[in-house]
Amino acid sequence: EVLLVESGGGLVQPGGSLRLSCAASGFTFSTYWMTWVRQAPGKGLEWVANIKEDGSEKYYVDSVKGRFTISRDNADNSVFLQMNSLRAEDTAVYYCARSNWGPDSWGQGTLVTVSS
Amino acid sequence: DIQMTQSPSAMSASVGDRVTITCRASQGINSYLAWFQQKPGKVPKRLIYGASSLQSGVPSRFSGSASGTIFTLTISSLQPEDFATYYCLQHSTYPLTFGGGTKVEIK
Repeated sequence: EVLLVESGGGLVQPGGSLRLSCAASGFTFSTYWMTWVRQAPGKGLEWVANIKEDGSEKYYVDSVKGRFTISRDNADNSVFLQMNSLRAEDTAVYYCARSNWGPDSWGQGTLVTVSS
Repeated sequence: DIQMTQSPSAMSASVGDRVTITCRASQGINSYLAWFQQKPGKVPKRLIYGASSLQSGVPSRFSGSASGTIFTLTISSLQPEDFATYYCLQHSTYPLTFGGGTKVEIK
């Protein structure tokens, strides 16, 4: 069974940083692209970033380019999202997902709140 | 960026109704289209991938189709557990883009 468990969310002040982690199990992690998707309170889904199996390609939505960095550790079956210069509009539940013809399996999400 | 225009944004329907939700892509995306269901407070669940392939474990009353840049999710006979919000996603071109969502409510 595919299992994805996010951690690292919390309350942070504007301009601050957070690092989200996603621990994967139940599949051969190193053979899948991985994805981060977010959902602001009461709003729709927004794709944030993708990373290739070996980490050699990374893609971001424009609104986070230069501020967020996706990375992965295939030895530890984990994917990360380093979020810097956080803004109020980054407040959302952040989901980690395996990418297989688009996101197929999703984690439970971790809430990031950016507020003073 | 590819825009995904999803309609309707909300609808009311009764148990047993046939429900159709549409996503129009602003340019060609081949079959790189998925549909998701999300219930309040829950994680999105993929229903359809490749525009028309049914995700394993998803009831056969759900189906997807495509005609050019218009993609359709059909629920053949709405069940009580189907009341939820539905999203399409194009993963043909970066940035990946979701439709705005369709909330299906009980009439």
